[in-house]
Amino acid sequence: DSGVTQTPKHLITATGQRVTLRCSPRSGDLSVYWYQQSLDQGLQFLIHYYNGEERAKGNILERFSAQQFPDLHSELNLSSLELGDSALYFCASSVNPGTGDSPLHFGNGTRLTVT
Amino acid sequence: AQSVTQLDSQVPVFEEAPVELRCNYSSSVSVYLFWYVQYPNQGLQLLLKYLSGSTLVKGINGFEAEFNKSQTSFHLRKPSVHISDTAEYFCAVSGPAGGTSYGKLTFGQGTILTVHP
Repeated sequence: DSGVTQTPKHLITATGQRVTLRCSPRSGDLSVYWYQQSLDQGLQFLIHYYNGEERAKGNILERFSAQQFPDLHSELNLSSLELGDSALYFCASSVNPGTGDSPLHFGNGTRLTVT
Repeated sequence: AQSVTQLDSQVPVFEEAPVELRCNYSSSVSVYLFWYVQYPNQGLQLLLKYLSGSTLVKGINGFEAEFNKSQTSFHLRKPSVHISDTAEYFCAVSGPAGGTSYGKLTFGQGTILTVHP
């Protein structure tokens, strides 16, 4: 158990809809990262938050947004969903970015299916 | 920009045989290197990491990897595999400490290791 909790585990929704994925980092971790895993794109970095502030953006679509709350949990919002958004979305956390001894710990992911 | 190439998409091997999963990376700056394992329906688990120092890194479950700067490689090895090692393995790189790219892992496409009895 990595200590990172993601809910829900599975999500099935229709095209055009909006969903919210939730992540609770490990106790004490200030950084939260979101990754998307799909068959065609592999594992792609989406966005990184540190202590409530956005630190880095990757290949995140404009239809997607995220935030990290004062209690350090994070939410990834996906809107105007398309079939191609179907993927496994991972959250990871670490104590502090930029330190070598602070590896990422991944949750078990949320599997999103858009029909 | 950084990139990672895992040279084998699938590696079948018999139980108790040695295995090597190959990883090459490309980066214009110094990097940190990682191997993660993903078991079915689970998240990624860190196997080992190279940050600096000794080029031979030992990880969990008997795995080790060797960093070769001249060949820009970070191959994963295990001298004797078990059925339970069947999983998908990902090589990843990130930027150096202190940079905003740390944690922004760039992953390879993964290698599926299948251990046969």
